Amino acid sequence: QQQVKQSPQSLIVQKGGISIINCAYENTAFDYFPWYQQFPGKGPALLIAIRPDVSEKKEGRFTISFNKSAKQFSLHIMDSQPGDSATYFCAATHTGRRALTFGSGTRLQVQP
Amino acid sequence: DAGVIQSPRHEVTEMGQEVTLRCKPISGHNSLFWYRQTMMRGLELLIYFNNNVPIDDSGMPEDRFSAKMPNASFSTLKIQPSEPRDSAVYFCASSPGGGSALHFGNGTRLTVT
Repeated sequence: QQQVKQSPQSLIVQKGGISIINCAYENTAFDYFPWYQQFPGKGPALLIAIRPDVSEKKEGRFTISFNKSAKQFSLHIMDSQPGDSATYFCAATHTGRRALTFGSGTRLQVQP
Repeated sequence: DAGVIQSPRHEVTEMGQEVTLRCKPISGHNSLFWYRQTMMRGLELLIYFNNNVPIDDSGMPEDRFSAKMPNASFSTLKIQPSEPRDSAVYFCASSPGGGSALHFGNGTRLTVT
């Protein structure tokens, strides 16, 4: 019930392309869905987050799409750049819990 | 804002030794989290505190692990005795409250030989 399943495990995209990472969850109580970006040797850092009252949130080149009925959400990186090469984690939690349950991570490589 | 500060950055120890990891959360944040990251298991929550009180320690692997938060600006994670399977990167994170983003430190890479 606390699991968040993430795919793909790794992704290679050409510069300028679209990167898409998907996550699915089981716990219908989850109401906060952030995405984190992690560079080697660093801790994860918040990239963008969404709550289930909206189906999409966009910040610059990063967009979260959320499908409540399917219990799925995804991260889209438009115009992917080599500097976007990192590991991306989806996560989820519910009001009152505070601690995040993380997906297994996606290692993104953007080739120049 | 200095962010979440963890020490040491790297720790190499022998099996059976005691290991203490330290964390200073962001000032004003009232929730603190300890996560462990491995290739096999990803990011796992070990324990989290709210207002210095442990709320959920169900992720602590076994009695060899203990965590304390004596005040709002300091927390420790102790492993005694350490084992090779404890080798991982341990992250501390803090947040200002429910439904807010977690701010992670840069982690402590622990190697137990």
